[in-house]
Amino acid sequence: QVQLVQSGAEVKKPGASVKVSCKASGYTFTGYYMHWVRQAPGQGLEWMGWINPNSGGTNYTQKFQGRVTLTRDRSISTAYMEVTRLTSDDTAVYYCARDPGYSILEGHFDLWGRGTLVTVSS
Amino acid sequence: QSALTQPASVSGSPGQSITISCTGTSSDVGNYNVVSWYQQHPGKAPKLMIYEVSKRPSGVSNRFSASKSGNTASLTISGLQAEDEANYYCCSYAGNNVWVFGGGTKLTVL
Repeated sequence: QVQLVQSGAEVKKPGASVKVSCKASGYTFTGYYMHWVRQAPGQGLEWMGWINPNSGGTNYTQKFQGRVTLTRDRSISTAYMEVTRLTSDDTAVYYCARDPGYSILEGHFDLWGRGTLVTVSS
Repeated sequence: QSALTQPASVSGSPGQSITISCTGTSSDVGNYNVVSWYQQHPGKAPKLMIYEVSKRPSGVSNRFSASKSGNTASLTISGLQAEDEANYYCCSYAGNNVWVFGGGTKLTVL
């Protein structure tokens, strides 16, 4: 079954870091770019960045550069998103989403994880 | 990159048609045919409805159509059904391997 399974909800204190995982199954993990998108409570979607699971290459929107790191472990078909120096503004559901282009970026997201709620609270 | 502009809400009665606009700039929507649309029901992950401006993925109803003119993309839903009530988001490539979403539109089926 083609799916993305994300890790469970997290509660973190301000200033801490969080690492969310996204395990792919049912397709060739290294063949498709993975994007990360977040959604604050009651708000819209916000694109964060992508990772090339084959090469490990990444790109981020300017807002998150320096504070968000995307990585992957090819051996277990899993992508990771780490956010450091958390503030209450980072409270959101974080989604991983696959780009359907094989080894290229087609620029849309055809397969989504269910999302991981990260709550930042003192 | 600034978010694309969508109306906060639209509404229509069952059977009617509605259109949701998505306005960007010449740096995103106006410059690339890489616009997609997503439907999101409360508490659920987004679902791809349209890609590359006007293409429908397999399994998406042909009641959903989309187009682009200049810096504005549009999503039209015809023959509105109760199940179409959801939030809709547009997304565009913005150059430099970066993407940007719209603020979202809440569709209410009256």
